[in-house]
Amino acid sequence: GAVVSQHPSWVICKSGTSVKIECRSLDFQATTMFWYRQFPKQSLMLMATSNEGSKATYEQGVEKDKFLINHASLTLSTLTVTSAHPEDSSFYICSADTGGGLETQYFGPGTRLLVL
Amino acid sequence: SQQGEEDPQALSIQEGENATMNCSYKTSINNLQWYRQNSGRGLVHLILIRSNEREKHSGRLRVTLDTSKKSSSLLITASRAADTASYFCATDLIPAGTALIFGKGTTLSVSS
Repeated sequence: GAVVSQHPSWVICKSGTSVKIECRSLDFQATTMFWYRQFPKQSLMLMATSNEGSKATYEQGVEKDKFLINHASLTLSTLTVTSAHPEDSSFYICSADTGGGLETQYFGPGTRLLVL
Repeated sequence: SQQGEEDPQALSIQEGENATMNCSYKTSINNLQWYRQNSGRGLVHLILIRSNEREKHSGRLRVTLDTSKKSSSLLITASRAADTASYFCATDLIPAGTALIFGKGTTLSVSS
């Protein structure tokens, strides 16, 4: 089946630094990738939809200048958390759509971010 | 925004018992999916049921969908300790091509 990877799997950083998280579709091209955030003991919340070659669409309440998304190729989307603060500590999960509709959407393993 | 609401929020059962989780949603959907997430780990896709289907089986899993009531249920039969996890329903909205919207999840604990 299709595989989506994320890197890094976990990261600890100091407050005020920026962190980049990569999401890659390993064996398929993803026209659309989605970024979710999950706080402890809560559900996944959609942050943004990323389409290759165009600007990401952010959900209400998600700061686009803080969470920079770049979908530079059909196999890579990156999420950069700029000037991270402790409240940004969360589990970030990406998913990639093969273009066959949501029946063919695959999730990455997630990246755990801890901001000290 | 969240679309699905799982019920119950937490469920504790003994091995061998059946576990039933319910999900309600608010708007029309193309399909509904169920996922499992072990503590601190990624999502595992369990089953997808389309809006024109009423019931689907996969191994020990049975999913039903009632679009008139905007609800779905996930039944895990003969549960095992390894089934301990959080279970989420996720829906896609019409028109197709939008992201999945997840419910709040049910935390299942199966004790041996």
